[in-house]
Amino acid sequence: NAGVTQTPKFQVLKTGQSMTLQCAQDMNHNSMYWYRQDPGMGLRLIYYSASEGTTDKGEVPNGYNVSRLNKREFSLRLESAAPSQTSVYFCASSEIRDRKAFFGQGTRLTVV
Amino acid sequence: GENVEQHPSTLSVQEGDSAVIKCTYSDSASNYFPWYKQELGKGPQLIIDIRSNVGEKKDQRIAVTLNKTAKHFSLHITETQPEDSAVYFCAATFGWAGSYQLTFGKGTKLSVIP
Repeated sequence: NAGVTQTPKFQVLKTGQSMTLQCAQDMNHNSMYWYRQDPGMGLRLIYYSASEGTTDKGEVPNGYNVSRLNKREFSLRLESAAPSQTSVYFCASSEIRDRKAFFGQGTRLTVV
Repeated sequence: GENVEQHPSTLSVQEGDSAVIKCTYSDSASNYFPWYKQELGKGPQLIIDIRSNVGEKKDQRIAVTLNKTAKHFSLHITETQPEDSAVYFCAATFGWAGSYQLTFGKGTKLSVIP
């Protein structure tokens, strides 16, 4: 099993450009999450999807949108990238009952 | 919302010694506490977790203890090895039945010196 797969692994954007980060899981999990990781800040929740068809804001949602395309896929969109969005982005999924969250390998995004 | 404090931010130990990382949480409703290990360039990997109805859990060289009254929990690694060198994150969950959001500590960089 691949687990949680994120694409792309690396991306450089210019300020104002848009892009979508893709995430897919093959564990049949109901819940999916997007986090960002910045030096010294730990991981902070951007958006989450408790189940297919629902999405909710996390701690730091400004500047982002999400789409739960189906049970497997959860995408994160930056409509107009800003240098403050330079970060490593992680997608995760979990099952409601046992709450164990599994993470992808991350997308390293640089906005110049 | 939940707030998780993690200490220390860096920890160096000699190979074979024990390492202890401590976390405190603020929301008394939190009831699930996982620990993650993150190696350079990789995503966090779940290494052990504990639920609020248990005081201690062990898995080979790794153990986690939970004190609900004091709202703190700790990771203990015994007989450390160089491959234990990584950044470790504690987390606590709060939320409703539909989804459990993890709130993370800021991480501890563990270095095991051969």
